Amino acid sequence: AQSVTQLGSHVSVSEGALVLLRCNYSSSVPPYLFWYVQYPNQGLQLLLKYTTGATLVKGINGFEAEFKKSETSFHLTKPSAHMSDAAEYFCAVSDQTGANNLFFGTGTRLTVIP
Amino acid sequence: KAGVTQTPRYLIKTRGQQVTLSCSPISGHRSVSWYQQTPGQGLQFLFEYFSETQRNKGNFPGRFSGRQFSNSRSEMNVSTLELGDSALYLCASGGEAINYGYTFGSGTRLTVV
Repeated sequence: AQSVTQLGSHVSVSEGALVLLRCNYSSSVPPYLFWYVQYPNQGLQLLLKYTTGATLVKGINGFEAEFKKSETSFHLTKPSAHMSDAAEYFCAVSDQTGANNLFFGTGTRLTVIP
Repeated sequence: KAGVTQTPRYLIKTRGQQVTLSCSPISGHRSVSWYQQTPGQGLQFLFEYFSETQRNKGNFPGRFSGRQFSNSRSEMNVSTLELGDSALYLCASGGEAINYGYTFGSGTRLTVV
């Protein structure tokens, strides 16, 4: 079974500061890992994904994440926060068994302070 | 290209009624998944359809059902509504395999009173 833990339900950073959102997963088989962002009253937008290959994944809007198998982590980072990054971020995991469903973390709400 | 379209955006129903939600996936996508989002339970998988067949189902009661049509459009039905069914219902459109990633619609906000 798969599960995701997102440490910190709320994270606040100053504009221009580093953004670090933490995600740890549990999976009995090699995982597929995703980060989604949700703006108020909207659906989920895919930021980036890891399936196979390079462990450092670059996504949209300057975000990137690194898959670390030894730490079972997939933390999301952005070097410099922008006001428009304020949103809720969800980490999700699936596996390669063919069960095409995502297991989501509980989300991290990012606040950017001007 | 057009995104995932969910209708209606907002819905208010009374306990005991039934409701049908609609999702039109991105053109060419044959997989449609449904998720329920609530403040208490977060995002939970309901079911996934691919080429009109249900491929996977989450842990929800039988009151929740769905179907997919030959044009890949999908509907989700909830019968005998309960207050706890109030949620944002999200539809996700994708290819044959999950590693391509899913595109989500804006959701249908269902309120049961």
